Amino acid sequence: SQKIEQNSEALNIQEGKTATLTCNYTNYSPAYLQWYRQDPGRGPVFLLLIRENEKEKRKERLKVTFDTTLKQSLFHITASQPADSATYLCALESPGGFKTIFGAGTRLFVKA
Amino acid sequence: DADVTQTPRNRITKTGKRIMLECSQTKGHDRMYWYRQDPGLGLRLIYYSFDVKDINKGEISDGYSVSRQAQAKFSLSLESAIPNQTALYFCATSDSDRGRNQPQHFGDGTRLSIL
Repeated sequence: SQKIEQNSEALNIQEGKTATLTCNYTNYSPAYLQWYRQDPGRGPVFLLLIRENEKEKRKERLKVTFDTTLKQSLFHITASQPADSATYLCALESPGGFKTIFGAGTRLFVKA
Repeated sequence: DADVTQTPRNRITKTGKRIMLECSQTKGHDRMYWYRQDPGLGLRLIYYSFDVKDINKGEISDGYSVSRQAQAKFSLSLESAIPNQTALYFCATSDSDRGRNQPQHFGDGTRLSIL
């Protein structure tokens, strides 16, 4: 079955720096991959979707890459701010696209 | 108003009790899902429904049942609660594109504690 690996250790960075989070998956390559943000006590919120034929996707200070050879996605937040502190979840579709499989997430702390 | 509303937000109950968690949505999506989230394990799918007459088991459906009362309502029941069902439960909805899931919209969860 498909497995998603995200760094379970929290990432601590200084305000203004670029945060980079990693998502690795095993087995098949999905047609697309998603990133979500989750704040404590709240449900996940969708951020970005990248398709298998897209190498890179950007939205404001966010950038996602998708390397189907390495079976890896990188999620970057440039010019990070304390308000970016949250848990970030990687998600991808199951074969056929009927289910979405979520990683356990990586906690990001941005210090002022 | 929230697009996906879950009730209750918090619930503490005893082993053996029957519990129902409710979810309603105003997004007009056909697809609805129930997940549980445990520390370090991420979101795990309990049940999902693609329309009112379609109910499917997820990876951890044992001990749970669901009812899709209408396009906008999807409830999760624990028939006889046990302590290892203590978790954060999320309802989500999505649209579909040529059969494939689109990004999901989540409620703010129900924190359930079973003593």
